[in-house]
Amino acid sequence: RKEVEQDPGPFNVPEGATVAFNCTYSNSASQSFFWYRQDCRKEPKLLMSVYSSGNEDGRFTAQLNRASQYISLLIRDSKLSDSATYLCVVKGGNQFYFGTGTSLTVIP
Amino acid sequence: DAGITQSPRYKITETGRQVTLMCHQTWSHSYMFWYRQDLGHGLRLIYYSAAADITDKGEVPDGYVVSRSKTENFPLTLESATRSQTSVYFCASSESIFRGDEKLFFGSGTQLSVL
Repeated sequence: RKEVEQDPGPFNVPEGATVAFNCTYSNSASQSFFWYRQDCRKEPKLLMSVYSSGNEDGRFTAQLNRASQYISLLIRDSKLSDSATYLCVVKGGNQFYFGTGTSLTVIP
Repeated sequence: DAGITQSPRYKITETGRQVTLMCHQTWSHSYMFWYRQDLGHGLRLIYYSAAADITDKGEVPDGYVVSRSKTENFPLTLESATRSQTSVYFCASSESIFRGDEKLFFGSGTQLSVL
């Protein structure tokens, strides 16, 4: 079983829409959770860290549900510039485990 | 502010050849990581290092060798390249892996093709 699992999508949404991605993790002892953004053929960049039940940064909200072992990312009022792949990352011990990513395309 | 740089950006090699991918960071971050990214697998950890002269295996270390004689450099060597090692390789660094300071900074990646 993979450490981190994500729905690969693709998600195609119109500008202004709200979209949510979910991610599940297998290690119940994991303490740190992250969302990274990766643009096509470029390096991943940290979008948000999630240490408690949730975190909000502008149009982006990340939530953590430890009981069900999943993390979600909500994007409100989608912009064309939000088009990217979103990577769910879970830290276990000294290692960071990456999901395969969810592809988002925001359509004009 | 150069940050973290990888070289080469693209590399084509033949099966059986030795290849070294370079990674250099200017922040004096303690932790450095090598990942490979393949379709359907996401990023998988090859090796990581907690400090100079301290390295440890990740999920997929077979066929790779690393060294870290200086804090700023973390080269990855494929001793005898195989086609299955065709991938995009990312180097990353982090100041810390402790809660609250766990931000990974990635290099631009090396696209390696083994023919």
